[in-house]
Amino acid sequence: GAGVSQSPSNKVTEKGKDVELRCDPISGHTALYWYRQSLGQGLEFLIYFQGNSAPDKSGLPSDRFSAERTGGSVSTLTIQRTQQEDSAVYLCASSFAGGPYNEQFFGPGTRLTVL
Amino acid sequence: AQKITQTQPGMFVQEKEAVTLDCTYDTSDQSYGLFWYKQPSSGEMIFLIYQGSYDEQNATEGRYSLNFQKARKSANLVISASQLGDSAMYFCAMRDFQGGSEKLVFGKGTKLTVNP
Repeated sequence: GAGVSQSPSNKVTEKGKDVELRCDPISGHTALYWYRQSLGQGLEFLIYFQGNSAPDKSGLPSDRFSAERTGGSVSTLTIQRTQQEDSAVYLCASSFAGGPYNEQFFGPGTRLTVL
Repeated sequence: AQKITQTQPGMFVQEKEAVTLDCTYDTSDQSYGLFWYKQPSSGEMIFLIYQGSYDEQNATEGRYSLNFQKARKSANLVISASQLGDSAMYFCAMRDFQGGSEKLVFGKGTKLTVNP
């Protein structure tokens, strides 16, 4: 079946612009996660959704970052007024709570470059 | 808070040989789960193997096995009969539940290179 998809795969933007990153989870997966992967910081957790709700937004690095999930499916991560330190690969993952391991399935990521 | 330590930034192995990638963890929880993921150069994280803290046996999945030593808080990944396609970054991770949120906490990773 289809895996987690993310778009765009690459995004180059200028400092100060807003960007939107999209994640389509595996159908039926109720949990959705966003992570950021950069050379200096490794893999950082950003936010978790159970259905459309995000119980904890403390992983978001600043108030320029926001995320939403609609219909228990697609999620959008928005970064306002981008800064060069936002350059990273943004990974989305989803999971199904009923599985034996509840492992997270990852998408291919969006590589964001802020000039 | 959970913490994962991977002390090997890079490892080299000859094709067809076995290799062990180290992972130690720190947690105060009694029940926890440990994961290993593979990240090839394409970038996608691929789930390899899972070990639950109460599992009595070490996890195995094909050529992957986990050397789980609970008292030492280590969960090393063993890859048998290495293949060229095993060259990738490998991440050890632990599931963390806090404040109604769930996430994976990752180590820094180990870059494995399989030589022909």
